[in-house]
Amino acid sequence: EVQLAESGGGLLQPGGSLRLSCAASGFTFSNYAMSWVRQAPGRGLEWLSGISGRGGSTYYADSEKGRLTISRDNSKNTLYLQMNSLRAEDTAIYYCAKVRGGDYPSDAFDIWGQGTMVSVS
Amino acid sequence: DIQMTQSPSSLSASVGDRVTITCRASQSVITFLNWYQQKPGKAPKLLIYVASNLQIGVPSRFSGSGSGTDFTLTINSLQPEDFATYYCQQSYSTPLTFGGGTKVEIK
Repeated sequence: EVQLAESGGGLLQPGGSLRLSCAASGFTFSNYAMSWVRQAPGRGLEWLSGISGRGGSTYYADSEKGRLTISRDNSKNTLYLQMNSLRAEDTAIYYCAKVRGGDYPSDAFDIWGQGTMVSVS
Repeated sequence: DIQMTQSPSSLSASVGDRVTITCRASQSVITFLNWYQQKPGKAPKLLIYVASNLQIGVPSRFSGSGSGTDFTLTINSLQPEDFATYYCQQSYSTPLTFGGGTKVEIK
C-alpha cells in the first residue's frame, strides 16, 4: 500500500526552527517529485515547496523563500522540510504529498500523508 | 503567481441534487487544473486531474470540465458522503496554488 507518514511536529517557540520528516512506502520514492502543503486552522490549503525525484530541483512559495529548505534522502525513502524563524502564523497542519505523474513537482497530488500539527506559541 | 478563485465559498444542497463549483485562474493554466475533496480532520483526496480526468476509485458522479481560465467541478446526484470542502489547484507552474475552497453543506 502506498503510504506517507509525517513526523516532527509539536509545540515550538517563535523564532525557533523545525525539521519535518515524511516517510514513504509502497512505491519507488525516487521516481516521484514530492511537495509540502500546509493548512492553518480553519483555513485553506497552501503549497509551500516541492522537490524533483532525484532532488536536483527545488521549488518554493514566494512568500517563504529563504525560510524553507526542502530535501530528500532517497536511500531512506524520506522527505524533509526545514523551516527557520518560526512565527505564530506558521501554526498549521503540514502535509507531505506525492505527485501523480513522475519527476516534476508541477502535478496533481494523488497521495497525501495524515499530516503533522505544528503549533508556534 | 497564478491566483485561483473559487465560487461559491459555500453552498447548501440536498441529497440527490446536482452541484456545480467554479474555479477561475488569473491567467491561463491550459488544462493543468485539479480538484480535491477534504473532509474534517482528514487529508485532501484527489478527485479530478488535468481538468477532466477522474482519479482511480472516484465515483463517476464527479466530473470536471474547462480549459484556459475557467473550470467547473460537477457532482451529479449528491450523496451523503459528498458533504465536504472542495479545492481546485493549478499545476501549470510553480508556485502551485490552490483555490480558497468551497464548503458543501447539507440543506
